[in-house]
Amino acid sequence: TQLLEQSPQFLSIQEGENLTVYCNSSSVFSSLQWYRQEPGEGPVLLVTVVTGGEVKKLKRLTFQFGDARKDSSLHITAAQPGDTGLYLCAGAPIGSWNAGNMLTFGGGTRLMVKP
Amino acid sequence: NAGVTQTPKFQVLKTGQSMTLQCAQDMNHEYMSWYRQDPGMGLRLIHYSVGAGITDQGEVPNGYNVSRSTTEDFPLRLLSAAPSQTSVYFCASSYSGTSTDTQYFGPGTRLTVL
Repeated sequence: TQLLEQSPQFLSIQEGENLTVYCNSSSVFSSLQWYRQEPGEGPVLLVTVVTGGEVKKLKRLTFQFGDARKDSSLHITAAQPGDTGLYLCAGAPIGSWNAGNMLTFGGGTRLMVKP
Repeated sequence: NAGVTQTPKFQVLKTGQSMTLQCAQDMNHEYMSWYRQDPGMGLRLIHYSVGAGITDQGEVPNGYNVSRSTTEDFPLRLLSAAPSQTSVYFCASSYSGTSTDTQYFGPGTRLTVL
């Protein structure tokens, strides 16, 4: 069983601060996805990283895939209250043609950004 | 498009009762999955399907059955509910099922088993 560990589990910060969320595993993944989930809703995809060392930016969010494709990080610059939510990482296994159908999720990081 | 829809939104069952959680998508996606979400544990894969008539088990399949008679629908059945099945259940679908494809999630069903 592949495991993904996210840290921290909870994060409460003031508006304008920077933060980083980590997603670590001992397993190699074919891709790593980051989702954001609002209360009472399903997760919504933010980004997919595929290549080791890949960096993707989405406005104030920067996502990085580790060189060995075992870990990833999400960095938010100048956090805003609208960034509040549950952030989930999810890895797709290697060697499966329908890997996207069989995601392994991390435990999530609950972020609260106070005005 | 309505996307992925799930019914009911909330459900309370007694131990031993059975029920079916409904999931439907109108995006003509072949690939669908069921996950359960428990506090601090993220989402765990229960069952998945790669097309009508084809299903397979995920990480935590015990106590759940699925079938896929149409492309649109992927119901999840609890045959004899147990308190350990108290959770939030999410259905997801995607077009190609590949590792880079977007998974579209429904709004979830919150199930409590007493």
